Amino acid sequence: DAKTTQPTSMDCAEGRAANLPCNHSTISGNEYVYWYRQIHSQGPQYIIHGLKNNETNEMASLIITEDRKSSTLILPHATLRDTAVYYCIVRAIYGGSQGNLIFGKGTKLSVKP
Amino acid sequence: NAGVTQTPKFRVLKTGQSMTLLCAQDMNHEYMYWYRQDPGMGLRLIHYSVGEGTTAKGEVPDGYNVSRLKKQNFLLGLESAAPSQTSVYFCASSYSRRTGQAYEQYFGPGTRLTVT
Repeated sequence: DAKTTQPTSMDCAEGRAANLPCNHSTISGNEYVYWYRQIHSQGPQYIIHGLKNNETNEMASLIITEDRKSSTLILPHATLRDTAVYYCIVRAIYGGSQGNLIFGKGTKLSVKP
Repeated sequence: NAGVTQTPKFRVLKTGQSMTLLCAQDMNHEYMYWYRQDPGMGLRLIHYSVGEGTTAKGEVPDGYNVSRLKKQNFLLGLESAAPSQTSVYFCASSYSRRTGQAYEQYFGPGTRLTVT
């Protein structure tokens, strides 16, 4: 599975957009980009995923560059409850490990009032 | 739906003791996973299962055993606990044959285990 690089931490003002970057320069053609987050002491929560097109759901938007070597997760109006560690993960949907996720250290997002 | 539940929520063991962590899901998912998370680290996969009666090793399987006798349950066993197994353990499930979706893993609330 491709390795990802994320900043260790970021701050965002409440009500503003939070833009979380992720580099995945070795991504393969059949690998998707997933985002999960983990609020303190809780189990990780799925946010969004994409292959090459930009995606949007009720939680966030995912922007993937045309060369697919990087992506950005956008929380359009961050709230204090969005304070969490955000994980960017790349992997194929089906593979020898049947969908296992490889978590790095993620980005600690702090939303401040 | 309760989603993914884990039992117990907390446990303290002495070195050498054994215990079993129970994970249950009510979403009829085919795949189930056990992860561990140490302080300041991401999750690491211990074992996983792609269906009832099947299990496979993940990244850090040593010292653990698993069983999937029923589709909805995935058990993680520690036969002889060691202080290095002090961690938070998360169970997850994914993939429904009905929907064909395998993108999203649903996680349980975690079990905090301390081995003294």
